[in-house]
Amino acid sequence: GQNIDQPTEMTATEGAIVQINCTYQTSGFNGLFWYQQHAGEAPTFLSYNVLDGLEEKGRFSSFLSRSKGYSYLLLKELQMKDSASYLCAVRDSNYQLIWGAGTKLIIKP
Amino acid sequence: ETGVTQTPRHLVMGMTNKKSLKCEQHLGHNAMYWYKQSAKKPLELMFVYNFKEQTENNSVPSRFSPECPNSSHLFLHLHTLQPEDSALYLCASSQEEGQGSSPLHFGNGTRLTVT
Repeated sequence: GQNIDQPTEMTATEGAIVQINCTYQTSGFNGLFWYQQHAGEAPTFLSYNVLDGLEEKGRFSSFLSRSKGYSYLLLKELQMKDSASYLCAVRDSNYQLIWGAGTKLIIKP
Repeated sequence: ETGVTQTPRHLVMGMTNKKSLKCEQHLGHNAMYWYKQSAKKPLELMFVYNFKEQTENNSVPSRFSPECPNSSHLFLHLHTLQPEDSALYLCASSQEEGQGSSPLHFGNGTRLTVT
C-alpha cells in the first residue's frame, strides 16, 4: 500500500528553527507538495519538489531525497503565525495525490 | 480571499435531511475536487471533475452525490447521512487533473455535523 508518514505534533519556540519530516512509500513518484493549514481555514500551497535538493522560499525551505523517500520542511525565524498544520502530499505514478495526516506545529513565546 | 469559495461554512443536519454544499472557483481552472478531512487523518479524495467530466469516484457511498454544471461550480448533495460523515468537506481546484507541478487551491471548507 501507499503511505506517507509525518509526526503528529511538534512544539517549537518563537524565533527558533524547526524541521518537519515526511517519509513516503508510494508506487512511483511525480513530485512532493507541502501545504500549510491554519485551524478552520483552507490548506495553502507552500512548496513543490520533484528533483533532489533544497528549495528555498524566504523563511521556508523544502528538501527532497528521492532515493530515501524523504522530505523535510524547514521553518526559520519562527513566528506565532506559523502555528498551523503542515501537510505533505506525494504524486504517485498515476499522478494521484497521496496525503499525510499532517503535523500540527505549536509555537510558544 | 482564496479564489475558491465554499458555502455554507458550517452545517448541522439530521440523518433524514437533504442539503447541498456549494463550491465556486474564480481561478479559471479546469479541474475541481471534493475532499473529506477528519481529525488526525489524511485528506480523503471523494470526487474529481476534469473539464466538467467526473473522472474519479473513490468508492464514496451513494448518500453523497456530486454535480458539476460548469468548470467554475461544484456541488455536493447530501441525503440520509450518518454521524460518521461529520467532518470538514473541502473543495479544491487545479489547472487540470494530474498535472505534475500544478498545486491544488482549496476553499475554507464546510464543517458538517450530522446529528
